[in-house]
Amino acid sequence: GQSLEQPSEVTAVEGAIVQINCTYQTSGFYGLSWYQQHDGGAPTFLSYNALDGLEETGRFSSFLSRSDSYGYLLLQELQMKDSASYFCAVILWYGNKLVFGAGTILRVKS
Amino acid sequence: DGGITQSPKYLFRKEGQNVTLSCEQNLNHDAMYWYRQDPGQGLRLIYYSQIVNDFQKGDIAEGYSVSREKKESFPLTVTSAQKNPTAFYLCASKGDRNSPLHFGNGTRLTVT
Repeated sequence: GQSLEQPSEVTAVEGAIVQINCTYQTSGFYGLSWYQQHDGGAPTFLSYNALDGLEETGRFSSFLSRSDSYGYLLLQELQMKDSASYFCAVILWYGNKLVFGAGTILRVKS
Repeated sequence: DGGITQSPKYLFRKEGQNVTLSCEQNLNHDAMYWYRQDPGQGLRLIYYSQIVNDFQKGDIAEGYSVSREKKESFPLTVTSAQKNPTAFYLCASKGDRNSPLHFGNGTRLTVT
């Protein structure tokens, strides 16, 4: 089967940098994605790593290491609006389907 | 604007009734998905469809059914066999393998 592990909750202050880790046990996937979800809303796409290494999109960066079965999302210059749940997900070879981690609640404090 | 439309936003039903949740997309995506989310939980895959007239069970398909008669539409029926149907239901679509999921705004179903 497939499983993705994330911390359940992370707290940081405005302006800081926070890293949300995702470790996985899965066989055969195209890449690792990250989604943000605010309370009551739908998830929105943040970042995708098809290859090992770092992908940077503005204040957000994501990293993947297939040899370590590990990835992370890095959020810089934290803002209050970044308070949300963050999910990692893998796109499986079989069926083009995404399997999600349980999510990390990020709380940004002033 | 292209996107995914789910309706209704809120739905209330009595126990024992079947209910169908609508999902329509105009992104021309082949793949469509239904996820269930419970409070404080992640997204669990119910059903998915790679192409018209074909669909596969996800991890929690029991008590649910789907159809994919048109590329644009992927309705989900929550049957009376689903033991705990109250949840937030999210429909999504996807292009090629490296494309992200596009989500609808969800339907919050309450069964009493």
